[in-house]
Amino acid sequence: DSGVTQTPKHLITATGQRVTLRCSPRSGDLSVYWYQQSLDQGLQFLIQYYNGEERAKGNILERFSAQQFPDLHSELNLSSLELGDSALYFCASSVVLAGGKQFFGPGTRLTVL
Amino acid sequence: GQQLNQSPQSMFIQEGEDVSMNCTSSSIFNTWLWYKQDPGEGPVLLIALYKAGELTSNGRLTAQFGITRKDSFLNISASIPSDVGIYFCAGISNFGNEKLTFGTGTRLTIIP
Repeated sequence: DSGVTQTPKHLITATGQRVTLRCSPRSGDLSVYWYQQSLDQGLQFLIQYYNGEERAKGNILERFSAQQFPDLHSELNLSSLELGDSALYFCASSVVLAGGKQFFGPGTRLTVL
Repeated sequence: GQQLNQSPQSMFIQEGEDVSMNCTSSSIFNTWLWYKQDPGEGPVLLIALYKAGELTSNGRLTAQFGITRKDSFLNISASIPSDVGIYFCAGISNFGNEKLTFGTGTRLTIIP
């Protein structure tokens, strides 16, 4: 158990819909990261938040957004969903300047029908 | 997006055999890491490397940070059933940047 929790574990929705994925980091970790894992693109970094502020951005679509709340939990919002958005979405957390030592949650499997 | 190239893509070995896999990039990375992913779970960090030429062990696992800073390898000695999974290399290109670029993965299967 990494100490990072993600909900829900599975999500099935239709094209055009909007969903919210939730992540609670390990106790004491201020940084939260979101990754997408798909068969064709592999594990891709989406976005990082540090203590409530956006810190780094990867290949995140404009239809996707995230935020980190004062209690440090984070949400990833995916809107206008397309079939190609079906993937595993992982949240990870770390202390500041962890040198890549990130702790991953169990993931949310999103299926868009 | 950018990915690191891992080889082999998959390996089928017998219990007790040694395993070697590597990761290459066309650009320099200042930090290399190796993660393992079990089915239905998130990646777990195995080894982190911070200096070109560095050789680091974690139990039966040994990893090296290539001198050119464009590659890394991971060796597993005397494989056991719980070694089954997908191994990912990951790199960080800039110091102070925590964004991980992941490799394409090596799937390890142990044949009974």
